[in-house]
Amino acid sequence: DQQVKQNSPSLSVQEGRISILNCDYTNSMFDYFLWYKKYPAEGPTFLISISSIKDKNEDGRFTVFLNKSAKHLSLHIVPSQPGDSAVYFCAASSNFGNEKLTFGTGTRLTIIP
Amino acid sequence: DGGITQSPKYLFRKEGQNVTLSCEQNLNHDAMYWYRQDPGQGLRLIYYSQIVNDFQKGDIAEGYSVSREKKESFPLTVTSAQKNPTAFYLCASSSRTGGLREQYFGPGTRLTVT
Repeated sequence: DQQVKQNSPSLSVQEGRISILNCDYTNSMFDYFLWYKKYPAEGPTFLISISSIKDKNEDGRFTVFLNKSAKHLSLHIVPSQPGDSAVYFCAASSNFGNEKLTFGTGTRLTIIP
Repeated sequence: DGGITQSPKYLFRKEGQNVTLSCEQNLNHDAMYWYRQDPGQGLRLIYYSQIVNDFQKGDIAEGYSVSREKKESFPLTVTSAQKNPTAFYLCASSSRTGGLREQYFGPGTRLTVT
């Protein structure tokens, strides 16, 4: 039972354009969502998070949007840079992060120079 | 500087042997977690601990054991009962006070069992 789904295993985007990574969830108890970036053979690095009391959170080139009614969130990267090429994981938790995280299967983003 | 360390980076064992993976953090975090990652899959939670001397099973705890005797340390033992132990193992920690609680990850240990 995959409670957090990233339906696109891979995505290629031209350098300088916008990258949009999507994530869907099924558990209505989730109220805290995070995005992580992971390079091969390394641990994931936290990028940005959002709680259910907001519908948007921005940090530099990264913006996360949350649509609670659709149980959908997305990560926008603008402009995309070659160093953004990595696997991106979406994760969700309940109790505003006090409970364990449930991860999606990841989307491999490739930025084309 | 503060962070999470996992050692060793690569570990090789023969089938039937138990092996213990180390995880240490100096972030003063109360909660610690162990995940495994397999090719093409997300991170799956093995065990977690929210306070010293207490831990809970995650989604795939069978064949693993943990201890949490010190706040800084959360070692994971992969026992011979674990059917598919070859994987990339990740340790994480998070605070339980203050604002929203993202988890911070160590660099991982790749375990190969033959």
